[in-house]
Amino acid sequence: DTEVTQTPKHLVMGMTNKKSLKCEQHMGHRAMYWYKQKAKKPPELMFVYSYEKLSINESVPSRFSPECPNSSLLNLHLHALQPEDSALYLCASSQDGIRGGTSSYEQYFGPGTRLTVT
Amino acid sequence: AQTVTQSQPEMSVQEAETVTLSCTYDTSESDYYLFWYKQPPSRQMILVIRQEAYKQQNATENRFSVNFQKAAKSFSLKISDSQLGDAAMYFCAYRKPLIQGAQKLVFGQGTRLTINP
Repeated sequence: DTEVTQTPKHLVMGMTNKKSLKCEQHMGHRAMYWYKQKAKKPPELMFVYSYEKLSINESVPSRFSPECPNSSLLNLHLHALQPEDSALYLCASSQDGIRGGTSSYEQYFGPGTRLTVT
Repeated sequence: AQTVTQSQPEMSVQEAETVTLSCTYDTSESDYYLFWYKQPPSRQMILVIRQEAYKQQNATENRFSVNFQKAAKSFSLKISDSQLGDAAMYFCAYRKPLIQGAQKLVFGQGTRLTINP
């Protein structure tokens, strides 16, 4: 099973709302990622979790709050977003090199959540 | 810092023909990985092909192959016998190897490929 699932597929929220995006994988991967992707642009890395610990935060505004409850789940909590935060939010997972040795450890992407902030 | 450049924002090809997408990168590392990802319209991003920099042999996956020129820091993707399902945005990506920890991909700006029937 090489699947990363994301819910919801679409989300419309107002600037005062609180919502959460969810991501799940059952490949035994210990690294999970959140990306933001604008139309016709490459994904921009937001956060990386390695073994359920936040290892990379790409200076993302605090209105985005990631959470990794366990090795299979990754959440992104949203609060007081701005219209410019409207985008496709992608989750990805990969093996982690912490067990030693190097490998290509390619990332597997989910289908994304299309977020619209009104 | 590493950078990845895709100089062709858009490409088109006739069905069954061959097309080559260009990618160049800049790095001071000697060992790294290169990837081509495909993102069809409104569909999931998937890995097309990967290349380890220490391998001289060019990677091949069915109709997809790469021309990896390490000295020139070039990593082009060739798609043979193009099919309608190949229409997508293609991203070239770079990653340096890590002994431990999660990996950070550096993406190019993408090339939108159209297949003409």
